Amino acid sequence: KNQVEQSPQSLIILEGKNCTLQCNYTVSPFSNLRWYKQDTGRGPVSLTIMTFSENTKSNGRYTATLDADTKQSSLHITASQLSDSASYICVVVILTGGGNKLTFGTGTQLKVEL
Amino acid sequence: DGGITQSPKYLFRKEGQNVTLSCEQNLNHDAMYWYRQDPGQGLRLIYYSQIVNDFQKGDIAEGYSVSREKKESFPLTVTSAQKNPTAFYLCASTRGGQGRYGYTFGSGTRLTVV
Repeated sequence: KNQVEQSPQSLIILEGKNCTLQCNYTVSPFSNLRWYKQDTGRGPVSLTIMTFSENTKSNGRYTATLDADTKQSSLHITASQLSDSASYICVVVILTGGGNKLTFGTGTQLKVEL
Repeated sequence: DGGITQSPKYLFRKEGQNVTLSCEQNLNHDAMYWYRQDPGQGLRLIYYSQIVNDFQKGDIAEGYSVSREKKESFPLTVTSAQKNPTAFYLCASTRGGQGRYGYTFGSGTRLTVV
């Protein structure tokens, strides 16, 4: 069982529509949570970073939320565009004796169509 | 412009051959990382280096080797001991302190065994 689970695995939406991607995690102790966008054949690009005390953070049309009590995060995309088609990866950073450790989700593959 | 450059973009390896993937950054970042990405799995850490001339094994280091002779460079060698090397390899860098700062990723190298 993945320690960072994302849903749905894939999603198709029409251009201009909104969508919400989910991330549930079990790893601890929590340091911060990140969302990345990865275009096919490219490296991930950071969208948001949230610490324990932050409930929401926005980056343009992307808004991430975090509930550290229930260990859930979501990424909301508003007014989707064709260029939003990508994989969205949730990453949870935990504290360890040797420093912080990143645990990656498997991603949600989003396709935006006309 | 500052960034992180991986080369080559595509690499083909014959059975039993060692190959080296290049990663160079001009961001003046102290820490550098190598990840492996396989379909349906989250990124997995191969090796990381927090300072020059020092590096640590990640979760899947077997069959790989690295060096960090310069701050800017962190090449990864995939040896013949790596039984299933076909994957997408991502290099990343950060200012320091694993997980404390944002990561910058390269564009990746896709390695295929032929």
